[in-house]
Parts: sequence; structure tokens; C-alpha cells
Amino acid sequence: DGGITQSPKYLFRKEGQNVTLSCEQNLNHDAMYWYRQDPGQGLRLIYYSQIVNDFQKGDIAEGYSVSREKKESFPLTVTSAQKNPTAFYLCASSHSGATQYFGPGTRLLVL
Amino acid sequence: KQEVTQIPAALSVPEGENLVLNCSFTDSAIYNLQWFRQDPGKGLTSLLLIQSSQREQTSGRLNASLDKSSGRSTLYIAASQPGDSATYLCAVASSNDYKLSFGAGTTVTVRA
Repeated sequence: DGGITQSPKYLFRKEGQNVTLSCEQNLNHDAMYWYRQDPGQGLRLIYYSQIVNDFQKGDIAEGYSVSREKKESFPLTVTSAQKNPTAFYLCASSHSGATQYFGPGTRLLVL
Repeated sequence: KQEVTQIPAALSVPEGENLVLNCSFTDSAIYNLQWFRQDPGKGLTSLLLIQSSQREQTSGRLNASLDKSSGRSTLYIAASQPGDSATYLCAVASSNDYKLSFGAGTTVTVRA
């Protein structure tokens, strides 16, 4: 059953804590993306990767980090430097230039 | 920088009425334009993708048009149903690097 999975569905972060959001795909896509969605706003690109072991910053990369050690996996770490992390985080993947397929999202809340 | 605008932000119609959702963008150097549907608390589902060389795409009750020169796209949903209630997002892919720029969405409510 092909698709994109994200975990956890909900994540709580304490002040000063780093947390990692998981994104896995079995669609054999080369490109993967992380977006942030805030109420009333469009999705904003955090990081993207077009090939294993390579990634680029998006529009709002500050306070976030990623890795792409495997084609199937693109985890996102929200660091303590991100002062306003409460948001809905969406992962997507695609063949280059083609439709992006989205995961179900992770909602991050600050305690 | 590409700016994508969707008007209206919200729309409420009675069941059976046709829906017209608008999307405008500032930079015509696009690779494609996509329409997505998002249900509350869920991810995005791709509805239609229009390549920059195309004028429209159709899927069932959905039809999307693209006028690249004027920077506009319209999504038409015929004979709306309560199950069509959702937020509809427009996204434009850059011709340089295929990155998507999203509008804020139009939230549609179809009343039974």
C-alpha cells in the first residue's frame, strides 16, 4: 500500500526542547518537502530535498533542521531556536516537477 | 517572489449550486498549477494539475482553467454536494525549481 506516513499525529514540545517529526514514503519519489501551515495562511516551505544526502532551505528554514540519509525518509527537527513552533506540519514527496503527494500531517503544540 | 491569492476566503452555498473558486498569481513563469483539497486537520489531496501549456483540465464534476498571461486560474465544481465542504488550495510551481507557492485557500461549506 503506497503512500506517505507522518508520525506522530500530535506532538508536544516543552520550552528549550528539540523535537523530531517523522516522514516516510514508499512511492520511490526522489523529492521530499516539509511545509508549515498556520491558520488562515497558505503552506510555507521549510526545507526540501531533491536527492539523497542533499537538501535546500525553503522560505522559513530558521529554527529547523533536516536530514536525508535514505530516499524513503526525511525527518524534520524543530529546534529550541524556533520561537513560535505551534503549527500544522505537512510532508510531501514527488517525482521531479510532478504532483506532490502529501502525508496526513503532524500538529505540534507547545506546553 | 511569487504571490498567490485566493478569493473569496470563505464561501457558503446551498446543495446543487455550482461553485466558482478563484486563484491569481503574480509571476507568469510557472511550470504548472495545482488545485488541492484539504479536510479539517488532514493533509492535502491533489484534485487537478494543469501544465503551463494547457488551458484547462477536467475530472468528473471538477473543471479548472488556466490563463497564464493574466495570472489566473478558476476551479469550477458543478452541482455541489455537502461532501464537497472543505478548504481548496491553489498552488503554483515555479518553472525554475518546481517549488510550490500556495494561496491561503477558500473554505467551502455546502448546505444540505
